[in-house]
Amino acid sequence: DTAVSQTPKYLVTQMGNDKSIKCEQNLGHDTMYWYKQDSKKFLKIMFSYNNKELIINETVPNRFSPKSPDKAHLNLHINSLELGDSAVYFCASSQLGLLPHEQFFGPGTRLTVL
Amino acid sequence: RKEVEQDPGPFNVPEGATVAFNCTYSNSASQSFFWYRQDCRKEPKLLMSVYSSGNEDGRFTAQLNRASQYISLLIRDSKLSDSATYLCVVNREYGNKLVFGAGTILRVKS
Repeated sequence: DTAVSQTPKYLVTQMGNDKSIKCEQNLGHDTMYWYKQDSKKFLKIMFSYNNKELIINETVPNRFSPKSPDKAHLNLHINSLELGDSAVYFCASSQLGLLPHEQFFGPGTRLTVL
Repeated sequence: RKEVEQDPGPFNVPEGATVAFNCTYSNSASQSFFWYRQDCRKEPKLLMSVYSSGNEDGRFTAQLNRASQYISLLIRDSKLSDSATYLCVVNREYGNKLVFGAGTILRVKS
C-alpha cells in the first residue's frame, strides 16, 4: 500500500506551458506539504495545508498554486513554466500536533522544463 | 548564512568504520531536530529524532548541543547499505515547518 503517492513521476514540458502534479495520502494525516528539491539538492518547503487550509506559504512565485480538495489530496498547479522550475517536487504528509511529527514523503515528481 | 549547515562530504569510509556528521543551525528558537536519510533519486525518510539528552537507535547515535547549536549523528560499524545522503532537519515553529540542510553524502565501500 502506497502511503503518499504522486503523479506523474516524470514530467517533461516546454517553457510557457501549464502543468499540474497530484498528490494523495492514505495515512489519515491532516497536514500535507509541497517541497522543491533543486539541482543543488536543497529541499525547501513551498506550501502546507492543514485540513484544507493553507498554513505555510513560502516565498514562491504566484505561478504556483496549490489546491487541496480534501485533507487526503494536495495538488500543485504551475502556470507559465520557466527553465528554473526544473526540479524534483516532493509531496509529504504528517499529523499536526503539539510536537512535530514525522513527515512522510511521496516518491517525487521530476519536472524538466525545456 | 544558511539556517541549517552541513558538510556536504562525500565521506568515503570502509565497511565497519565509525563515521560522524555534524550540523549547525542558526535559529536559537528551533524546537525539534531530526536526521532524515535520502537514497539516490528517492524520497527522504526519517532516520531518527534528536533529543536533548541524546539518543541511540542500534548503530546510530544522535546528539544535540543547544548551547552551541549543533547536532551530530554517529554511525558505528558502517554497512554498504548505509550509503546515502543524510539530511539534518530542524523544526522551528508551529505548523510542522521543517528546514532541511543540504545533506552529507556517505559512501561506504567494501
